[in-house]
Amino acid sequence: NFMLTQPHSVSESPGKTVTISCTRSSGSIASNYVQWYQQRPGSSPTTVIYEDNQRPSGVPDRFSGSIDSSSNSASLTISGLKTEDEADYYCQSYDSSNRGVFGGGTKLTVL
Amino acid sequence: EVQLVESGGGLVQPGGSLRLSCAASGFTFSSYSMNWVRQAPGKGLEWVSYISSSSSTIYYADSVKGRFTISRDNAKNSLYLQMNSLRDEDTAVYYCARSQQWLADFDYWGQGTLVTVSS
Repeated sequence: NFMLTQPHSVSESPGKTVTISCTRSSGSIASNYVQWYQQRPGSSPTTVIYEDNQRPSGVPDRFSGSIDSSSNSASLTISGLKTEDEADYYCQSYDSSNRGVFGGGTKLTVL
Repeated sequence: EVQLVESGGGLVQPGGSLRLSCAASGFTFSSYSMNWVRQAPGKGLEWVSYISSSSSTIYYADSVKGRFTISRDNAKNSLYLQMNSLRDEDTAVYYCARSQQWLADFDYWGQGTLVTVSS
């Protein structure tokens, strides 16, 4: 089993760029795809990135995803920050023992 | 429009049982895998269980294995989660979430139903 570790919180100003990391504790980050979900207060999660770097239709191209094997981590980058981007963000993947794994979540504040 | 509507949550005593349902509409339910994901109050997301489109493949998180049972009825476009031997730590909002297959993202989520385990 592995864990996905995210920073508890990040903050940035409107118009700026922020990157949220998701580090896999063991095994290769490239073993299975990583997804990213956005959860606004009081709402259900929605996908912003799937399969490491793919954006669902309707998600602005300000959102991008990547993986880095050297740091064994995935990253979600949001550029041109808007106040509406303020939310909790979760990374998610799967392990080889047929379990889904979520990161602990990162609270993004746009101030 | 894809819709997933959970029901069946409520207050139950430790050791008790509860059955959650998820009614699906707006897509061909029998062609998709389904999942249950939960979120304890003020906490993060936790994957609970997965069932393939034909019910041939089922997976559980270690925390619920042996106590929870996932099932589906494709004729009724419905997903279920039978929860037995409930513990305080099972208190959470339970979401049903659609996926194309195992290893895929959860592309649609319901609004969730709250399960509270307390004496």
